[in-house]
Amino acid sequence: DGGITQSPKYLFRKEGQNVTLSCEQNLNHDAMYWYRQDPGQGLRLIYYSQIVNDFQKGDIAEGYSVSREKKESFPLTVTSAQKNPTAFYLCASTRRGDRGTGELFFGEGSRLTVL
Amino acid sequence: ILNVEQSPQSLHVQEGDSTNFTCSFPSSNFYALHWYRWETAKSPEALFVMTLNGDEKKKGRISATLNTKEGYSYLYIKGSQPEDSATYLCASYNAGGTSYGKLTFGQGTILTVHP
Repeated sequence: DGGITQSPKYLFRKEGQNVTLSCEQNLNHDAMYWYRQDPGQGLRLIYYSQIVNDFQKGDIAEGYSVSREKKESFPLTVTSAQKNPTAFYLCASTRRGDRGTGELFFGEGSRLTVL
Repeated sequence: ILNVEQSPQSLHVQEGDSTNFTCSFPSSNFYALHWYRWETAKSPEALFVMTLNGDEKKKGRISATLNTKEGYSYLYIKGSQPEDSATYLCASYNAGGTSYGKLTFGQGTILTVHP
């Protein structure tokens, strides 16, 4: 079945370490997104990519980096510069160029805890 | 950054009750309004994507309305069941400026349906 796979589901990191969260989709979607959720807050956009080899910063990009070398893959690196990285991270994808009318498909999320 | 507000933040109802939530979004440069249901330990799933003023959508016992001129949407659940317990997210897609190409989410309404 088509869908989005995120890994790992749970990740523990020591302060000062970079970690990379994986997001893979087999829906043939052009656009991919990374969101962060904190308790009591909505999903906040970290980075998004509408096409291979191109990506844009979202609302809270500081301390994060991404790459989009393949259509199906959009990994997120949480760097040591991210001051408060403990959070739940969701990856999503959708068709491109539809002016927001295409629904997002989400992965099951990755929970990162910094020790 | 756009402001999308949902109310109430949480809601407890008895099985069989009907209920509704509100999503407020910017009406300027509006393109689409999304509703998602997010059950615990699962991925968020799209309920509706709405674009036209006055639009109404229905899926089983759940329906939604849209007022793009005043910037609000209502989600209704008729005869709530325990399996309706979830977080309901709305998201607005507005064009122009830094908002282009991305959805902005509200903080969600947590619904608990008691048997």
